Amino acid sequence: KNEVEQSPQNLTAQEGEFITINCSYSVGISALHWLQQHPGGGIVSLFMLSSGKKKHGRLIATINIQEKHSSLHITASHPRDSAVYICAVTDRSWTGAGNNRKLIWGLGTSLAVNP
Amino acid sequence: ETGVTQSPTHLIKTRGQQVTLRCSSQSGHNTVSWYQQALGQGPQFIFQYYREEENGRGNFPPRFSGLQFPNYSSELNVNALELDDSALYLCASSFRSGSYNEQFFGPGTRLTVL
Repeated sequence: KNEVEQSPQNLTAQEGEFITINCSYSVGISALHWLQQHPGGGIVSLFMLSSGKKKHGRLIATINIQEKHSSLHITASHPRDSAVYICAVTDRSWTGAGNNRKLIWGLGTSLAVNP
Repeated sequence: ETGVTQSPTHLIKTRGQQVTLRCSSQSGHNTVSWYQQALGQGPQFIFQYYREEENGRGNFPPRFSGLQFPNYSSELNVNALELDDSALYLCASSFRSGSYNEQFFGPGTRLTVL
């Protein structure tokens, strides 16, 4: 079992729909990331969360530390939102010099938004 | 735009060859992490360098090695390439700030081993 689980694995939506992607984790974390990866590979960091909720444009990310769960919401989805969305957590138990920590990654949710 | 660049963008090698991938971090970033992402998989942590020394390593054999330089650039070297090494290689840089370091990702190098 992966330490970071995402659902759904694949998601197809119509333009304008409200989208939710879920992430559950089983390790102690200091922060959770939501990242976006387009075909061709480059990764873009969308959010970094340690508690509560963050909003950026049409994207909203929430985290419940007690339940070890996070959600990424996309409002008024658009075809340009089509990408793989990855949840990754900063492993609190792994420390190295300089207080830099390792990311543990989910497998990603592949989102396709149709016009 | 994260300020992290990687080169080359794409690379094709044959089994048994050696490859060097490069990453240029943001100025002042003292930490770089390398990840391997096989097709259809999530990224896997290879290792991390902090102030030019290896700071931690994932489950990768010794033929994966790295270097970090004072000018905020780094290299990932892979010897004796195997077919399974075909993947997207990502570097991420960060700088210590309080209790957490946000990581900035490069666009990746796609390596194909034939």
